[in-house]
Amino acid sequence: GEDVEQSLFLSVREGDSSVINCTYTDSSSTYLYWYKQEPGAGLQLLTYIFSNMDMKQDQRLTVLLNKKDKHLSLRIADTQTGDSAIYFCAESRAGRRALTFGSGTRLQVQP
Amino acid sequence: DGGITQSPKYLFRKEGQNVTLSCEQNLNHDAMYWYRQDPGQGLRLIYYSQIVNDFQKGDIAEGYSVSREKKESFPLTVTSAQKNPTAFYLCASSIKATDTQYFGPGTRLTVL
Repeated sequence: GEDVEQSLFLSVREGDSSVINCTYTDSSSTYLYWYKQEPGAGLQLLTYIFSNMDMKQDQRLTVLLNKKDKHLSLRIADTQTGDSAIYFCAESRAGRRALTFGSGTRLQVQP
Repeated sequence: DGGITQSPKYLFRKEGQNVTLSCEQNLNHDAMYWYRQDPGQGLRLIYYSQIVNDFQKGDIAEGYSVSREKKESFPLTVTSAQKNPTAFYLCASSIKATDTQYFGPGTRLTVL
């Protein structure tokens, strides 16, 4: 199965909070990342969390990490139409050659 | 400005032709990567390089080739052996392997 899993699609109304979820399988993950991809563009690093942390907040973004359940979430407060994009979760593991990415969650923000 | 550049942004190729996609970084990163992205799918690793003059195959290396003669450059050649090359190609770099990766803007390759 996939090392990193995400739901495919999320739709929210402008001004609401969005929560994008990710699960991973390897407890040896060191860092976990959230990237944003707008149409036709590369991936933009949004934020990351070290595996010994539970939470990280950066302006409208809040990352929660539940290591017991191997669950990572990204909460976007006051979601705007400019937040419409695909969001990728990724993990880093010691000894692995590169990051492992999920398949991405498409966030649609309705006005 | 520090960053990663990819060129061209759009590329069209006839069947049977080889094409080379450019990736340059001025971040002084040791590691560089090439990914392929198909519509509605995640990223798949083609090749990666942890240091100059060294590179390794990723998950889908067949039909592709790379070189790493300079630290700042990691070109990808899509050969005629690649059966379905139409896709969006992303280059990334990191200080070292498994560190935070930074991405270029991508090249969209279309085979006519």
